[in-house]
Amino acid sequence: EAQVTQNPRYLITVTGKKLTVTCSQNMNHEYMSWYRQDPGLGLRQIYYSMNVEVTDKGDVPEGYKVSRKEKRNFPLILESPSPNQTSLYFCASSLGTGSDQPQHFGDGTRLSIL
Amino acid sequence: RKEVEQDPGPFNVPEGATVAFNCTYSNSASQSFFWYRQDCRKEPKLLMSVYSSGNEDGRFTAQLNRASQYISLLIRDSKLSDSATYLCVVSYTGGFKTIFGAGTRLFVKA
Repeated sequence: EAQVTQNPRYLITVTGKKLTVTCSQNMNHEYMSWYRQDPGLGLRQIYYSMNVEVTDKGDVPEGYKVSRKEKRNFPLILESPSPNQTSLYFCASSLGTGSDQPQHFGDGTRLSIL
Repeated sequence: RKEVEQDPGPFNVPEGATVAFNCTYSNSASQSFFWYRQDCRKEPKLLMSVYSSGNEDGRFTAQLNRASQYISLLIRDSKLSDSATYLCVVSYTGGFKTIFGAGTRLFVKA
């Protein structure tokens, strides 16, 4: 089954404790992206990747890192999490950027930073 | 001004009604346009892509007006199952930067 898999689905942790949210897709997609969703603000793009070893900042990259060492994986790293990074996070992938190449989303990861 | 703006609603309509949502975007370099639907706290799912010539999928019709920089979604014969948040999405030329609107909430009531 074609899918985008995120782990963990839920995480409660404390300020400053490094964490990684994994994202993996099995569709051989070139493009991958991370978003956060907050009430009233909608989804905001954190980072995106157009291919292996090619990444770029979205609208809200501060406090986050990503890597794309393999095509299928795109982990999101919070080196020193803070409470303002409490949010619902989505990973997405697509074959390309055209109107006939929509993004497929993972189930989401709910992070709480205390 | 936000790059992609939507009326947040909520729109409360009876079953069978026709409802229309609009979305405006500010960057003329925008290349690709989509409507996604999102059920409460779940992942967004593609409803339909939006093409310059307009396109229809069953009860749903999407239109793009590049000159005025807006896209629209029309839902005919609303069903209870159409209750959701509808997200307008714009992607930019030459990269993968993607901007989501904040969403329009729709409630369809019996």
